[in-house]
Amino acid sequence: GNSVTQMEGPVTLSEEAFLTINCTYTATGYPSLFWYVQYPGEGLQLLLKATKADDKGSNKGFEATYRKETTSFHLEKGSVQVSDSAVYFCALYGNNRLAFGKGNQVVVIP
Amino acid sequence: EADIYQTPRYLVIGTGKKITLECSQTMGHDKMYWYQQDPGMELHLIHYSYGVNSTEKGDLSSESTVSRIRTEHFPLTLESARPSHTSQYLCASSPRDSLSYNSPLHFGNGTRLTVT
Repeated sequence: GNSVTQMEGPVTLSEEAFLTINCTYTATGYPSLFWYVQYPGEGLQLLLKATKADDKGSNKGFEATYRKETTSFHLEKGSVQVSDSAVYFCALYGNNRLAFGKGNQVVVIP
Repeated sequence: EADIYQTPRYLVIGTGKKITLECSQTMGHDKMYWYQQDPGMELHLIHYSYGVNSTEKGDLSSESTVSRIRTEHFPLTLESARPSHTSQYLCASSPRDSLSYNSPLHFGNGTRLTVT
């Protein structure tokens, strides 16, 4: 079945540092890929999406490219801010279901 | 901005009590979902509905039940709460066209349930 794997563990980094969160997937067919963000005390919000191979989703300085050859959708941001502290979930839609990764806590220190 | 509301935001209740977590959306979405989010942040789908009078079990077995009598309302009920039910519960919705490219899930802010 479809599944999403995110890198283990929280990510702690300093303000203005470069952020990468790895996401790989297993799926049949041609799924759509998403990144969701959950700020403290809130539900999930869509951050960005990509619907086909080589598409790049971008929003709020974050980017992720749909790489079919490596089955990956890594999230990147060039210069993080304290306000980016949140939990980030990679997700895949296929076979009528949305599958989430386990999430990564990101903590940005001033 | 998505209009999906969950009440209460926080609930602390004793073992054995019956509880209902409310979820309402004003977007006319056909599909609605309940996720349980454990302390490690992972999300587990416990129930979903594709429309009125339609309810299905999700990927994670749950002792809770749901109903969908009206499109906008998707309450979750625990007949007898236990400490193992302590968790965050997130409700979500999406339109009929099944998560087409421009139709991701819209989430409520969640209910944090503590059973003592």
